[in-house]
Amino acid sequence: DSGVTQTPKHLITATGQRVTLRCSPRSGDLSVYWYQQSLDQGLQFLIQYYNGEERAKGNILERFSAQQFPDLHSELNLSSLELGDSALYFCASSVEQWNTEAFFGQGTRLTVV
Amino acid sequence: AQSVTQLGSHVSVSEGALVLLRCNYSSSVPPYLFWYVQYPNQGLQLLLKYTTGATLVKGINGFEAEFKKSETSFHLTKPSAHMSDAAEYFCAVSDRTGNTGKLIFGQGTTLQVKP
Repeated sequence: DSGVTQTPKHLITATGQRVTLRCSPRSGDLSVYWYQQSLDQGLQFLIQYYNGEERAKGNILERFSAQQFPDLHSELNLSSLELGDSALYFCASSVEQWNTEAFFGQGTRLTVV
Repeated sequence: AQSVTQLGSHVSVSEGALVLLRCNYSSSVPPYLFWYVQYPNQGLQLLLKYTTGATLVKGINGFEAEFKKSETSFHLTKPSAHMSDAAEYFCAVSDRTGNTGKLIFGQGTTLQVKP
């Protein structure tokens, strides 16, 4: 158990809908990251927050947004969902904001039908 | 830009045989390197990391990796494979150019262990 908690574990939704994925980082970790894992793209970095502030952005679609709350948990919002958004979404956390290993949650498997 | 290439998307070994998973990186700055393992329906678990210092790093479950700057490699090895090692393995480099914690992953190598 990495100490990073993601909910829900599975999500099935229809195209055009909006979903929210939730992440609680390890106790004491200030950085939260979101990654997308798909068969064709592999593991892709989406976004990083550090102590409530956006720190880095990857190839995150405009339909996707995230935030980190004062209690350090984070949410990833995916809207206007398309079939191609079906993937495993991982949250990770770390103590530092750079040059550090990250600890991953078990992921949320999103299926868009 | 930094990148990671894992040679071989699928590696098959017999139980008790040497495990060698290859990883080459590209980085304009001294890299921080990681190996993660992903078991079916699980998240990624950190096996080991290299930041600075000793180039041979030991990790969990008997795995080790050697940082070779001249070869830009960070191959993962285990002397004797166990059935429980069957999983997907990812090599990653930390994005040190942008002062972020972003990890850049390779495409992954699936390790199959035959009895």
